[in-house]
Amino acid sequence: QQQVKQSPQSLIVQKGGISIINCAYENTAFDYFPWYQQFPGKGPALLIAIRPDVSEKKEGRFTISFNKSAKQFSLHIMDSQPGDSATYFCAGSGTYKYIFGTGTRLKVLA
Amino acid sequence: GAVVSQHPSRVICKSGTSVKIECRSLDFQATTMFWYRQFPKQSLMLMATSNEGSKATYEQGVEKDKFLINHASLTLSTLTVTSAHPEDSSFYICSARVGDTQYFGPGTRLTVL
Repeated sequence: QQQVKQSPQSLIVQKGGISIINCAYENTAFDYFPWYQQFPGKGPALLIAIRPDVSEKKEGRFTISFNKSAKQFSLHIMDSQPGDSATYFCAGSGTYKYIFGTGTRLKVLA
Repeated sequence: GAVVSQHPSRVICKSGTSVKIECRSLDFQATTMFWYRQFPKQSLMLMATSNEGSKATYEQGVEKDKFLINHASLTLSTLTVTSAHPEDSSFYICSARVGDTQYFGPGTRLTVL
């Protein structure tokens, strides 16, 4: 009930391509869905977040698509760059605590 | 805005000693902070929720007597790993809550020899 399933586990994309990471949640009480980017040896940094009353949110090259009926949401990174190579975590929150996905290691080839 | 710092960034200690890690919100006040533990190539595992002026709430399976948390002010929470052992070696990350958003610190790498 509390899980957030994230896929793929790893992803390799060519420079300029689109990176897509998917998450699915079970708890319908979740009302806040953030995405974080983490570089090795660093803390996670907030990328973008969405609430279930919105189907899409875009900030620069990052877009979240949200499907409430399917209980799924995804992160799209447009024009992926080598500097985007990092681990990405989705999360769901219904109170103040986050339930994190398992992470996706993205590598963008130059 | 919403900057969170941690100190130290890296610590190496001998087995049996205690280590204190500080988490500070630099430009905002945080009534709620969180402490996470992260193993290599794994997700973040919530250890406890730290509320200013009250006792921390620990997640199931986390030893509260081993991982002491104090949130004495609106900008500072501390995690003390007592009688550390090699299995406590990990990456410890704190976060501070602003509304629904958590802002994370840079993490502390603890190595217990």
